Parts: sequence; structure tokens; C-alpha cells
Amino acid sequence: NAGVTQTPKFRILKIGQSMTLQCTQDMNHNYMYWYRQDPGMGLKLIYYSVGAGITDKGEVPNGYNVSRSTTEDFPLRLELAAPSQTSVYFCASSYTAEPANYGYTFGSGTRLTVV
Amino acid sequence: QKEVEQDPGPLSVPEGAIVSLNCTYSNSAFQYFMWYRQYSRKGPELLMYTYSSGNKEDGRFTAQVDKSSKYISLFIRDSQPSDSATYLCAMSAGTGGFKTIFGAGTRLFVKA
Repeated sequence: NAGVTQTPKFRILKIGQSMTLQCTQDMNHNYMYWYRQDPGMGLKLIYYSVGAGITDKGEVPNGYNVSRSTTEDFPLRLELAAPSQTSVYFCASSYTAEPANYGYTFGSGTRLTVV
Repeated sequence: QKEVEQDPGPLSVPEGAIVSLNCTYSNSAFQYFMWYRQYSRKGPELLMYTYSSGNKEDGRFTAQVDKSSKYISLFIRDSQPSDSATYLCAMSAGTGGFKTIFGAGTRLFVKA
């Protein structure tokens, strides 16, 4: 049981380049999320999805796009990368919409540097 | 003012010590309180959760919530080097909308 798998683990992008961060889960969770984690800051929600075909913006969506064509996959697209997008990105999934008692299952993260 | 405040540390303690980790918050609507543990280069994992006020114990870990003071704590007894990690508090009003707010995390080092 792999849980949540993210690829790549590390990436360096040049300003203006684009890339897709991949996320897949094998727990049949309907709810999936993308967070970014910056030093000294809490996890910030970028986008979330409540099921295949349904996505919505979180707290910091600018500069990102997502899609959810299947229950398992939730890729995050960065268009025109900027230095402000240098961060660690975590994909997560949850069994319920209010995951307090079951919690989020997080991937191991993608460390992105934009230069 | 941040909705959730957490001292970033680092906190360094000797093996066997009792560790106290804390968060304060400003939103009185929060009802679900969680602690996540994050090892270096890994994603956070849920350690404990508490609903409303009170204490909850799980082995060496005790989570405590004081809603009147808007203050939550995680206590680790008999701390081990394997407890060295970053501990993030998280909280939610439980009204949906995917508004779980995370603290910035406290880095803990337990020295053997």
C-alpha cells in the first residue's frame, strides 16, 4: 500500500518555465489537496478536489492550475515559474471532508527551486 | 496576526525528558485540534487529534486543549531520539470548506 506518491522529489526550474507535479494515491480517497510549505510558515492550501472532475481554489492558488480526471491522480501545473514559487509542495488525500479524526495522508513532497 | 501561532524552536532536550509543545490561536470557532509529526524530508503524519476541550492520551503522548485560553499543548513523556522531528499543530472549525489551519511547526531535537 503506497499511500500518496509524488514525483519528482526535486526539481530546479528557470524563471518562466512550466512543469507538472504529479500526485497519485491508491487509497480510493475522494478528497485530495495540494499544499506548499515555506520556512516559518504553516502549510498553505493551493487547490483541493472533492472528487473526479471537481476542483476548487484554496488560499494561495495564483500561478497554479490543477485537474482531476480520475480518483487516483491530482496533478499540479505551474505555468511561468517565478522565484516566489520556490517551496516544498505536498500532495495529500483524506477519507472525509473534515479530516480531523482520520487525518490527511501526505506524500513525501517535491522540493522546487526557481532560479 | 496569524490565526495559529507556534514557536518554531528549535527545542533541544536530553533523552528521557518531558517535552511540552504549544500553539495559541485566535479563532474561537475552532473545534478540532490536531498534531502532526514531520520527519526531515518527509510529509507530515497525523499523531493525535482532539475534539473540543480536554485531554487525550496515547502512549507517551498527551494532547491538551484549553479553549477558554485558546491554547493547545502536546506533551511527550520519556522522549526518545526517534521523537526528533518537527511538530505541527493544526485546527479546524469542523464546518467544512477545507479550512484546516496549520501552525508553522516546532523543531524538536532529543539528544541521546
